[in-house]
Amino acid sequence: DTAVSQTPKYLVTQMGNDKSIKCEQNLGHDTMYWYKQDSKKFLKIMFSYNNKELIINETVPNRFSPKSPDKAHLNLHINSLELGDSAVYFCASTLSGLRADTQYFGPGTRLTVL
Amino acid sequence: SQQGEEDPQALSIQEGENATMNCSYKTSINNLQWYRQNSGRGLVHLILIRSNEREKHSGRLRVTLDTSKKSSSLLITASRAADTASYFCATDANQAGTALIFGKGTTLSVSS
Repeated sequence: DTAVSQTPKYLVTQMGNDKSIKCEQNLGHDTMYWYKQDSKKFLKIMFSYNNKELIINETVPNRFSPKSPDKAHLNLHINSLELGDSAVYFCASTLSGLRADTQYFGPGTRLTVL
Repeated sequence: SQQGEEDPQALSIQEGENATMNCSYKTSINNLQWYRQNSGRGLVHLILIRSNEREKHSGRLRVTLDTSKKSSSLLITASRAADTASYFCATDANQAGTALIFGKGTTLSVSS
């Protein structure tokens, strides 16, 4: 059983398009995250949700909108894609999120914007 | 903002040798974690050390934490080719304490 899964694994699209990445965790965790990893492997937090409520929203453009229909899912929708959005996006989850304890990461979605 | 800085950025060793990676951070922490990322994969948690701990072991891994120097080290003993990966330290130093702040990572290459 995959603990944290993401779809799709690869996403290639044109500038200006809108795309979504889905994430699901079957660990029963309360908190989920989206991270962005750039070409230099630098990993940065984008959003955090605890039990469907937004906790962290780092300085991310409005074109990025997370949605959590339930605590097991956290999707990321990106509008008007730009070249600079090309990166690997990782979803992660943790049990409570009240303290930054062990996080479980998905396999990543490699987004390429042409 | 970036919190951790790993050193060295890249490390190449032979199988059987030990690998030591260092991490420095800037602000007070509750805990520090180390993660491994194999090429093209997600991050995998290796070990967590709390601010009141000085050393922790897990198999061939040994982590130390010096809060006075705001630094940590990860030692992998008797390395194997399968240890080839990027290693990241992460701290919980953001204001809400609910997310991890990662360093840039050390890329370890172990050749047989």
